[in-house]
Amino acid sequence: GESVGLHLPTLSVQEGDNSIINCAYSNSASDYFIWYKQESGKGPQFIIDIRSNMDKRQGQRVTVLLNKTVKHLSLQIAATQPGDSAVYFCAEIPPYNTDKLIFGTGTRLQVFP
Amino acid sequence: DVKVTQSSRYLVKRTGEKVFLECVQDMDHENMFWYRQDPGLGLRLIYFSYDVKMKEKGDIPEGYSVSREKKERFSLILESTSTNQTSMYLCASRTPGSDTQYFGPGTRLTVL
Repeated sequence: GESVGLHLPTLSVQEGDNSIINCAYSNSASDYFIWYKQESGKGPQFIIDIRSNMDKRQGQRVTVLLNKTVKHLSLQIAATQPGDSAVYFCAEIPPYNTDKLIFGTGTRLQVFP
Repeated sequence: DVKVTQSSRYLVKRTGEKVFLECVQDMDHENMFWYRQDPGLGLRLIYFSYDVKMKEKGDIPEGYSVSREKKERFSLILESTSTNQTSMYLCASRTPGSDTQYFGPGTRLTVL
């Protein structure tokens, strides 16, 4: 398959376990954050978003946590499934340009049986 | 569901050829974007468009141009391809008032 990034940090988890993917963002004044999932050979797919006035947001099997003090974002996936295997990117919208998305370099999640 | 489509999944071109990459979205979004994605560099913004006939340079516009004649369609043009333009090209769209960008499947361009 195609690689979206060489030497990406990789998280390997067993099917059924919970996964936690971390992201450090760059601008303390950024207001909006998104997590994307990118499967091999495909474009990034929106998973969940969060605004800076929230600490936590939950979706279906996913939870995003925002820690503004340390500029840290995490994505938690409950009961990880083989179909969750992909590269996960966080993205932030900086305050100086709301048209711009700044992407993290990504983390590869590998789910093994 | 938002649907963003790109005209080709894979393209192979020779140095100096002209390439059109087309992107179409079906959600009446005003804003559209072109990125390239390279190993170790992540996604980088090439150009974006606020609306029909409008365009703005992104972070790496050199060697590229764009065309937005219709709201649903945003084309990326490589006038004379070079090997350093070998990349995955991703189109995205969004509606004003929403910060979320929705991506197409990508076009893998190889320039020989």
